[in-house]
Amino acid sequence: SQQGEEDPQALSIQEGENATMNCSYKTSINNLQWYRQNSGRGLVHLILIRSNEREKHSGRLRVTLDTSKKSSSLLITASRAADTASYFCATDFQGGSEKLVFGKGTKLTVNP
Amino acid sequence: DTAVSQTPKYLVTQMGNDKSIKCEQNLGHDTMYWYKQDSKKFLKIMFSYNNKELIINETVPNRFSPKSPDKAHLNLHINSLELGDSAVYFCASRRSDLLNTGELFFGEGSRLTVL
Repeated sequence: SQQGEEDPQALSIQEGENATMNCSYKTSINNLQWYRQNSGRGLVHLILIRSNEREKHSGRLRVTLDTSKKSSSLLITASRAADTASYFCATDFQGGSEKLVFGKGTKLTVNP
Repeated sequence: DTAVSQTPKYLVTQMGNDKSIKCEQNLGHDTMYWYKQDSKKFLKIMFSYNNKELIINETVPNRFSPKSPDKAHLNLHINSLELGDSAVYFCASRRSDLLNTGELFFGEGSRLTVL
């Protein structure tokens, strides 16, 4: 399976702290994306990092990619209660036609 | 305006029934998907259509039949519903041309409960 695996499965922090989530995958990729899902809602795209990039920033988000280790991390700095959601990585693997394969997600709880 | 809209949002039905979920996107995208999210939040791709043509079928039971009347619509019909079909079904779309950013746009999901 090309499925990504997020780690940890659940993370609980206090407002203002940083949250780090990790994703590992198995096959070579074209790009890796992170999505957010609020409870009872659809997934929303956060950020995409291409296989030839090592780091990318967007606001309070920082994503890194290590293709040699087949892993990525998502860092959310200065977390807020509104960041409470599930976060998924998704891989667009080489030779995978048009599909994105999602990991199992990390459930982040930010306590006020 | 909602970019990817699914109906119904909730569906409760008995085993053995047949039901449909509809999806429409107004983003002008060429490619549409159905994903299934189980009770553990695992999101698994089921089907993908590009310009009304089926391009991905992830060994889904043939009780599930997608239909794309045009590139803006992708419906999902399920025959002989089983308990294990209970899940949240998500429709998604994205561009497939040279301006493709790779980003998927998701609907809000249709929660199916089979009793």
